Amino acid sequence: EIVMTQSPATLSVSPGERATLSCRASQSISKNLAWYQQKPGQAPRLLIHTSSTRATGVPARFSGSGSMTEFTLTISSLQSEDFAVYYCQQYNKWPPLFGPGTKVDLK
Amino acid sequence: VQLVESGGRLVRPGGSLRVSCEGSGFSFSDYTMNWVRQAPGKGPEWVSSISSGRSYINYADSVRGRFTISKDDAKNSLFLHMNSLRADDTAVYYCARDLLDRFGDFPSPFDLWGQGTLVSVSS
Repeated sequence: EIVMTQSPATLSVSPGERATLSCRASQSISKNLAWYQQKPGQAPRLLIHTSSTRATGVPARFSGSGSMTEFTLTISSLQSEDFAVYYCQQYNKWPPLFGPGTKVDLK
Repeated sequence: VQLVESGGRLVRPGGSLRVSCEGSGFSFSDYTMNWVRQAPGKGPEWVSSISSGRSYINYADSVRGRFTISKDDAKNSLFLHMNSLRADDTAVYYCARDLLDRFGDFPSPFDLWGQGTLVSVSS
């Protein structure tokens, strides 16, 4: 089974700064990687799929990159509404697996 | 376009429960649907999938043999029947829609989620 890891566990950022989140797969997953944002008391929201394709309605400040085993989610200029937990998910093979998450909080 | 779950409650260990999800605003019968759960303070965990034509059904190892997924397209509804419940089944259960049609060969990201229903297993 593929293992997903994310780093850092917590990222402290000031509004307007750039945030870079990492996700690693234990084996190659091609570009079958998605990113989700989750705020307290809410369901996860799909941000990015196929490593770099933004989902409908997602602001352009969110971008994804990577392939094989190394992936990155970048928030170019953090807004107040972006403080949340971010999960990556592989869907290259069954079962679809989520990473443990990175919490982005206020510095 | 939304999904609304219901049916979560407190259940004793070893008990059974059925949770439901009703979709609206889209052609429910055309999509593969999933159950995803999230234990308190943990990341999401995929539980089960059922394809649009029920031609494939998949389960996580942690629930296989205890949980059964089903759907009623006439009622735009998805169900999860849970038996032999354990404390580690305690979680918010979300229904979620597949973004990509990968014909059951591969999983998909999930582009639409409900608000979740809480299942607590405790004596």
